Amino acid sequence: DAGVIQSPRHEVTEMGQEVTLRCKPISGHDYLFWYRQTMMRGLELLIYFNNNVPIDDSGMPEDRFSAKMPNASFSTLKIQPSEPRDSAVYFCASSLSTSGTDTQYFGPGTRLTVL
Amino acid sequence: SQKIEQNSEALNIQEGKTATLTCNYTNYSPAYLQWYRQDPGRGPVFLLLIRENEKEKRKERLKVTFDTTLKQSLFHITASQPADSATYLCALHQAGTALIFGKGTTLSVSS
Repeated sequence: DAGVIQSPRHEVTEMGQEVTLRCKPISGHDYLFWYRQTMMRGLELLIYFNNNVPIDDSGMPEDRFSAKMPNASFSTLKIQPSEPRDSAVYFCASSLSTSGTDTQYFGPGTRLTVL
Repeated sequence: SQKIEQNSEALNIQEGKTATLTCNYTNYSPAYLQWYRQDPGRGPVFLLLIRENEKEKRKERLKVTFDTTLKQSLFHITASQPADSATYLCALHQAGTALIFGKGTTLSVSS
């Protein structure tokens, strides 16, 4: 398996624009996670899905953020409208379950810069 | 409030020495604790997992301890090498939640 795939790897946009980040999890993994990482706040969980259903979105900062998982092999994280404070690295991860013995496999991340 | 603290943002040691990284937590009752390594420009990669009823776990030059009384995990790298330079993240798991990550400690090993 190629691992978790994210696109784009880098995104530079202007304030107010819509941004869509994409993720393909590892085949067979039932859980998909979206994280945001900054120096100040570290790795923050935004939302996670189980079998394409959102389970916990309490980490989503505000209504400008939305995430979907239309099928088992694809998820998107959308920011509309984007703001400079959204600049961060966004990671997608997948796992077999959320039991403590199952590890998460991370993608390479998308570095978002909002000017 | 709930907190996960990793001892310092940065740790600098000389090649060959043992690096010890600390993960302390408050107001959590984790059943498992995991350690991940993150290299610049990459996502975290799993290294080791330890259960609450295990005192110590080893993998090659890595050793993890878990003290539920002190609410602390220690991560050791023996005979450290420059290739060990990276950011190391601890992550807690408790029932009903997804993994909760600390902010990480950046280790630099100089030759």
